[in-house]
Amino acid sequence: EAGVVQSPRYKIIEKKQPVAFWCNPISGHNTLYWYRQNLGQGPELLIRYENEEAVDDSQLPKDRFSAERLKGVDSTLKIQPAELGDSAVYLCASSLGLAGYTGELFFGEGSRLTVL
Amino acid sequence: DQQVKQNSPSLSVQEGRISILNCDYTNSMFDYFLWYKKYPAEGPTFLISISSIKDKNEDGRFTVFLNKSAKHLSLHIVPSQPGDSAVYFCAASEDAGKSTFGDGTTLTVKP
Repeated sequence: EAGVVQSPRYKIIEKKQPVAFWCNPISGHNTLYWYRQNLGQGPELLIRYENEEAVDDSQLPKDRFSAERLKGVDSTLKIQPAELGDSAVYLCASSLGLAGYTGELFFGEGSRLTVL
Repeated sequence: DQQVKQNSPSLSVQEGRISILNCDYTNSMFDYFLWYKKYPAEGPTFLISISSIKDKNEDGRFTVFLNKSAKHLSLHIVPSQPGDSAVYFCAASEDAGKSTFGDGTTLTVKP
């Protein structure tokens, strides 16, 4: 069974440039998450989707961050414009959702962003 | 206010001995507690979990203990192996999927 796939793995951009990350969750997982992990810290939730609906985006900086999950499968997280403080690893995760809820998340390998 | 805290940034143990990783939480609404393991340049992978209605869960060399009155959980690894060297994240889940993570403990198991 394929795991959560993320791309790109690494991205280096100048500040004020846009950047986008893509995520393909595990087949059949209704819930998709985007987390941000700063160096030396744990993952912090940015947004959670149940199918196509964003059910928790309270921690998403909406002035520069946007996300979408069209058709309830793949998802894209965009930052425009990027700032120096956005340098972090962006993790996508998926889970079975309410039907199979155990709290367990399946993470992708992450997309490491460096803003210069 | 950090709801999940791992107060030890690092832990070093000898191969074959016990590793004990600790985690404290503040939110009484958490219903699942999980431990994830993370190697460099990889995403976290699930290790073991425990429901809030239990006080112990065991899976091979890994045991998680939950003390609800103290709002404390711990992960025991016995015996520790060099391949266990990684960053361990404690996480707590509520509201059918909202997980909060601690900042991690780096475990080093010396041969």
